[in-house]
Amino acid sequence: EAGVVQSPRYKIIEKKQPVAFWCNPISGHNTLYWYLQNLGQGPELLIRYENEEAVDDSQLPKDRFSAERLKGVDSTLKIQPAELGDSAVYLCASSVNDGNEQFFGPGTRLTVL
Amino acid sequence: EDQVTQSPEALRLQEGESSSLNCSYTVSGLRGLFWYRQDPGKGPEFLFTLYSAGEEKEKERLKATLTKKESFLHITAPKPEDSATYLCAVPPAFSGGYNKLIFGAGTRLAVHP
Repeated sequence: EAGVVQSPRYKIIEKKQPVAFWCNPISGHNTLYWYLQNLGQGPELLIRYENEEAVDDSQLPKDRFSAERLKGVDSTLKIQPAELGDSAVYLCASSVNDGNEQFFGPGTRLTVL
Repeated sequence: EDQVTQSPEALRLQEGESSSLNCSYTVSGLRGLFWYRQDPGKGPEFLFTLYSAGEEKEKERLKATLTKKESFLHITAPKPEDSATYLCAVPPAFSGGYNKLIFGAGTRLAVHP
């Protein structure tokens, strides 16, 4: 069974540039999560989707971050414009509806210069 | 405020030297506690869920226990391949389900031959 796929794995951009991350969850998993992980810290939830609906985006900085999951399968997280403080690892995870076990992708490491 | 604190931040062991990692939490009405393992450059990987005080779960050299205030991850006779960061997480109070998790900062374990 294929795991959660994320791309790109690494991204280096100049501040104020836009950037986008893509995630394909495990087949059959209705719930998709985007997390932010800073160095030496645990993941922090940015947004959670159940199918196409964003059911928890309370921690998403909506002035610069946006996300979509148009067909209830893969998802894109965008930052525009990026700031120096956005440098981190962006993790995508998926689960069946109860969320008891979340499966994480390898993450995208973003560096903003 | 719901909070998860892990200690120690880092732990160095010799191969075969047993030890324990601690996860303390301040969440009203705990409904579950999760342990994940994270290898460098990878996303977290699910290990255990504990649902109530007194519960224990084992997997190979790992055993997780839960009390009303904290959880321990006991590592018996560790091997170098057990080296990783171990994260614990809890759902916040009144969140419903397990889809929203608060992660601790993790314990970085290094096991040397």
